[in-house]
Amino acid sequence: SAVISQKPSRDICQRGTSLTIQCQVDSQVTMMFWYRQQPGQSLTLIATANQGSEATYESGFVIDKFPISRPNLTFSTLTVSNMSPEDSSIYLCSFSTEGQPGSFGQYFGPGTRLTVT
Amino acid sequence: DQQVKQNSPSLSVQEGRISILNCDYTNSMFDYFLWYKKYPAEGPTFLISISSIKDKNEDGRFTVFLNKSAKHLSLHIVPSQPGDSAVYFCAAREYGNKLVFGAGTILRVKS
Repeated sequence: SAVISQKPSRDICQRGTSLTIQCQVDSQVTMMFWYRQQPGQSLTLIATANQGSEATYESGFVIDKFPISRPNLTFSTLTVSNMSPEDSSIYLCSFSTEGQPGSFGQYFGPGTRLTVT
Repeated sequence: DQQVKQNSPSLSVQEGRISILNCDYTNSMFDYFLWYKKYPAEGPTFLISISSIKDKNEDGRFTVFLNKSAKHLSLHIVPSQPGDSAVYFCAAREYGNKLVFGAGTILRVKS
């Protein structure tokens, strides 16, 4: 199966600054996603990253705060803008596969642990 | 409103015995259900999925059972091993391949 990586693995940032997280898949994938896991909570979808078009954001997430790029079928970035301590989370990218009929999987990167001070 | 619920925050099992992790959902439009294992400081690892048209799927030590009428699924791990100790998330697929996750269950396998 494809390998998915993220950079950086962790960072400590000051409030008011921005951080761009990179996600790389070692094969072409159609759909990529960005999730957030806040401390002690489950995973929440931020947006679907579409190649060649604008990302599709979930309720509660906006492009100005979380701009996303998807320049090709193997790469995406998520920027966390104008950070506040509430943005301290693990940010995860993922891609989905649907091979044989009746099979489906979604695979996650290792995550980026962001702490905002 | 939680569409996917894992009502047991934690579960403790003896090595070699069966671990049963449960998940309930409310949205009948979900068409796939997935289970993930997550260690601290790592991304979730995909374990197994099941289509809503099936009632059972098996992969090695992992079996997922789906009861559509009850909107309930469970993950069975047998035999349980100490390396299985982790947080287990249930997830459901809705339109656009988006996943909705449960809150997770911490599994501790004691040796």
